[in-house]
Amino acid sequence: EAQVTQNPRYLITVTGKKLTVTCSQNMNHEYMSWYRQDPGLGLRQIYYSMNVEVTDKGDVPEGYKVSRKEKRNFPLILESPSPNQTSLYFCASASYQEQGSYEQYFGPGTRLTVT
Amino acid sequence: GQSLEQPSEVTAVEGAIVQINCTYQTSGFYGLSWYQQHDGGAPTFLSYNALDGLEETGRFSSFLSRSDSYGYLLLQELQMKDSASYFCAVRGPNQAGTALIFGKGTTLSVSS
Repeated sequence: EAQVTQNPRYLITVTGKKLTVTCSQNMNHEYMSWYRQDPGLGLRQIYYSMNVEVTDKGDVPEGYKVSRKEKRNFPLILESPSPNQTSLYFCASASYQEQGSYEQYFGPGTRLTVT
Repeated sequence: GQSLEQPSEVTAVEGAIVQINCTYQTSGFYGLSWYQQHDGGAPTFLSYNALDGLEETGRFSSFLSRSDSYGYLLLQELQMKDSASYFCAVRGPNQAGTALIFGKGTTLSVSS
């Protein structure tokens, strides 16, 4: 089954304690991305990756890091989480197309609470 | 920059037709997409318009007017399960157009 998986699905942590949210896709997609979703703000892009070893900032990258060492994996790293990073996080992947819908497949989400 | 405007909420009754509008501003246009998201769940792709006109997929249709920088999602024969948030999205602004910029979403509530 084609899918994007994220772990953990729920996480409660404390300020300053480094954490990693994993994301993996089995569709051989070149493109992967992280979004955060906050009430009233919609989905905002944090980082994206066009392919292995190629990453770039989205709209809200501050406080986050990513890496793309393998095509299927795109972990999101919070080196020193703060309460304003409490949010619902989604990973997504897509097959790069110069034209077309660029349909993105989303993971189930990770609900993060930083106290 | 990129921006998308859509209504925050829409309400309707079962069996009705509802239209969710989206206006956008973008430098370089690849097309307008629509995603559906049930409460707390993953967004899922609904439709895409690259050219002017109406695209129909079952009960859902999507329209685009590039000259007006405007599109809409039309939902017919509404069902309770259509209660969800709907997001319009455009590609860009980076070189490859790979970033997907979302509107803030429209919450549709369908009542019986």
